[in-house]
Amino acid sequence: GDSVTQMEGPVTLSEEAFLTINCTYTATGYPSLFWYVQYPGEGLQLLLKATKADDKGSNKGFEATYRKETTSFHLEKGSVQVSDSAVYFCASGELGNEKLTFGTGTRLTIIP
Amino acid sequence: NAGVTQTPKFRILKIGQSMTLQCTQDMNHNYMYWYRQDPGMGLKLIYYSVGAGITDKGEVPNGYNVSRSTTEDFPLRLELAAPSQTSVYFCASSYRGPGQGVFETQYFGPGTRLLVL
Repeated sequence: GDSVTQMEGPVTLSEEAFLTINCTYTATGYPSLFWYVQYPGEGLQLLLKATKADDKGSNKGFEATYRKETTSFHLEKGSVQVSDSAVYFCASGELGNEKLTFGTGTRLTIIP
Repeated sequence: NAGVTQTPKFRILKIGQSMTLQCTQDMNHNYMYWYRQDPGMGLKLIYYSVGAGITDKGEVPNGYNVSRSTTEDFPLRLELAAPSQTSVYFCASSYRGPGQGVFETQYFGPGTRLLVL
């Protein structure tokens, strides 16, 4: 079945550091790919998405590119801030399969 | 728009008790979902609905029931609470139109934290 594997956490970085959180997926077809963010005590918010190969999703300085050849959707940000501290979930969704398949989440902590 | 709202925010149940988790969305979405999030794990789908009157099981439906009498509401019922149901429960909704070519974005509520003792 479909699965999503993402970088184990927790990840701790200093403010203004470069961030990469790896995500790879398996799917039978051509899924849409998502990054959701969960701030402390809150629900999941969509951060960005991409629906086809080579699409780049971007939001709030975060970017991720849909790489079909490597089945990856790595999340990047050039300069992280303390306010980026949260848990980040990679997810895939494929038509014909009603659910989103989630990775286990990566807890990110940014220290000043 | 309030989006997806859930009540209560937090609840403690004793083993064997029952309760209903409420979920409402005001975006006129046709699809609604219930997920549970266990510590250190991704979200698992419990039940989903593609429209009023239509529900179906997800990956982990045992111990739960749902109903969808209106477009807006999708309550989740726990009949005999067990410690294994201690989790955070998220409701989500999305819109899927006819002939839609890609998987649509799901919008999540703030969650209900449930502790069964």
